[in-house]
Amino acid sequence: QSVLTQPPSVSAAPGQKVTISCSGSSSNIGNNYVSWYQQLPGTAPKLLIYDNNKRPSGIPDRFSGSKSGTSATLGITGLQTGDEADYYCGTWDSSLSGGRVFGGGTKLTVL
Amino acid sequence: QVQLVESGGGLVKPGGSLRLSCAASGFTFSDYYMSWIRQAPGKGLEWVSYISSSDSTIYYADSVKGRFTISRDNAKNSLYLQMNSLRAEDTAVYYCARDRSYCSSSSCYTEFDSWGQGTLVTVSS
Repeated sequence: QSVLTQPPSVSAAPGQKVTISCSGSSSNIGNNYVSWYQQLPGTAPKLLIYDNNKRPSGIPDRFSGSKSGTSATLGITGLQTGDEADYYCGTWDSSLSGGRVFGGGTKLTVL
Repeated sequence: QVQLVESGGGLVKPGGSLRLSCAASGFTFSDYYMSWIRQAPGKGLEWVSYISSSDSTIYYADSVKGRFTISRDNAKNSLYLQMNSLRAEDTAVYYCARDRSYCSSSSCYTEFDSWGQGTLVTVSS
């Protein structure tokens, strides 16, 4: 069981907006920054969002991140079939040696 | 461009050993921290181990502590993971990733900005 809780799955129609939540505690999200990763089927994860809400070069502004208290949210607007993937949140957990933790992942289905 | 290429995966019996390698190119390897991250079949991501740029600081997940050893050779632009006493639950795709995590006085930032394609390790009799 991950220390970060994500919904197992979300779905929405093409063109719509979807949000994916990542819930933690004061030892992780509450006092640290969050990153998000996209894993397309059969491929390695790719950094999507870092420092809660920053996008690496090349990531479209359809993807956004936010954080409030001990939860973080990934938002995707203008959904495309190519967005169908697994999405993971990641952060630091101060109670763990090495600190690095991921959420359990959310499968996005674009209907 | 940044490239990370893992190798060394395969089928090994429980209790056996395996050494994974990750060849880095496209960036100054010696300037960056690195991590190994794994993904069991059909499961999520699990951070495994971290090594600082000069290998002065190393961390392991509790699940592999005492069995796995991370190392690096900056002259060869390579990262390694020596895995001993392997168990069925170590079966996973193992990714090497460039680790840009750091901690300020008040908060920590976690960020894996480049990943390899992964190498599959299967532990089975």
